[in-house]
Amino acid sequence: DTGVSQDPRHKITKRGQNVTFRCDPISEHNRLYWYRQTLGQGPEFLTYFQNEAQLEKSRLLSDRFSAERPKGSFSTLEIQRTEQGDSAMYLCASSTLDGVGETQYFGPGTRLLVL
Amino acid sequence: AQSVTQPDIHITVSEGASLELRCNYSYGATPYLFWYVQSPGQGLQLLLKYFSGDTLVQGIKGFEAEFKRSQSSFNLRKPSVHWSDAAEYFCGVASYQKVTFGIGTKLQVIP
Repeated sequence: DTGVSQDPRHKITKRGQNVTFRCDPISEHNRLYWYRQTLGQGPEFLTYFQNEAQLEKSRLLSDRFSAERPKGSFSTLEIQRTEQGDSAMYLCASSTLDGVGETQYFGPGTRLLVL
Repeated sequence: AQSVTQPDIHITVSEGASLELRCNYSYGATPYLFWYVQSPGQGLQLLLKYFSGDTLVQGIKGFEAEFKRSQSSFNLRKPSVHWSDAAEYFCGVASYQKVTFGIGTKLQVIP
């Protein structure tokens, strides 16, 4: 069990550019989540996948955001035409059922700065 | 919709002192509750969780939390704080897979 990994850990980009982040979940976990965390706030849910199916998207996920999980393993989160308000930490989590409930395990995050 | 309130944004304790971080939730059904810890620039690490059963749950690093349904609370406690516990702590409630988090409590530990 190597944990959830995310790449890159840091990204600086100019406004208007596109960026893509990758998340590799814990291997046996079939659910994968994306959250966004801005300074001084808790993480906010963006979207989640069960295997390759994207089952829920938050209203926070504007049309400029797209997430994929093509083979039910790793996932990518793309932001098109970045804006300064997109600057945040983007966290990925994967989950497993623990008998009664589900526990999410988080990766180290990708910190995005849009100049 | 569910919500989580962490009323203390910042807490300072002396090393060796006891700690209690407050968490109140709003959720219509039986909640799944979590505490995570985040060090600067890092992701969230699970400390403990409550799904059902015993309302006093033990976690890692000597932390425990007590679920009190009548008070809609899930407070985190530690009897003796170590300098390495300085971090930000997030309480969360799960509903239909996604977790709703509070704003977090930043813990400072002074020698």
